[in-house]
Amino acid sequence: GAGVSQTPSNKVTEKGKYVELRCDPISGHTALYWYRQSLGQGPEFLIYFQGTGAADDSGLPNDRFFAVRPEGSVSTLKIQRTERGDSAVYLCASSSEGHSGGKSTEAFFGQGTRLTVV
Amino acid sequence: LAKTTQPISMDSYEGQEVNITCSHNNIATNDYITWYQQFPSQGPRFIIQGYKTKVTNEVASLFIPADRKSSTLSLPRVSLSDTAVYYCLVGFNTNAGKSTFGDGTTLTVKP
Repeated sequence: GAGVSQTPSNKVTEKGKYVELRCDPISGHTALYWYRQSLGQGPEFLIYFQGTGAADDSGLPNDRFFAVRPEGSVSTLKIQRTERGDSAVYLCASSSEGHSGGKSTEAFFGQGTRLTVV
Repeated sequence: LAKTTQPISMDSYEGQEVNITCSHNNIATNDYITWYQQFPSQGPRFIIQGYKTKVTNEVASLFIPADRKSSTLSLPRVSLSDTAVYYCLVGFNTNAGKSTFGDGTTLTVKP
């Protein structure tokens, strides 16, 4: 597709339930990032994939959060036993590999999935 | 990761030039400086990126002094549609794999 696609756009779930959030990155982008954004705050890093592997998952808040990217394209963020504090907008971004000497690459963000835990 | 500091909010009027300064005293040698714009209910959108001196594109300019401990995003002749949150990032690098956004600067453009 033309941009990063996230589904669903909105998700309401009950406390204690399991949810999956999907991210379709831009075709050919090898790097994929998940962020979480609470109201009035900047995005908070969760996890970064380079290809199929999680290169950095240090931002995941606890073991209820898990993400996969089995074929190096689509990624799924999974949250078990959801809590009200998990309510936020979950953002996905992708970027192309291709850096030299530490040059950063532009990241393209999706519109996010608004998760509400009631 | 380099921490960034920027003003919480700024007000401007249509047609004015707006300059938003970001401090990043602990920037590393390999870090680039990137600015993103975010509208309500949307994901952040890349505006501009630079390493040193000055970078200009069709929407903004980025000024970076020689010590690289700060940077200034310059938006020429803002319009109402430039009302958004602007984030300064240091180190959005595929080696590092993550970035710290901070809380950004909320720019409000008034008619």
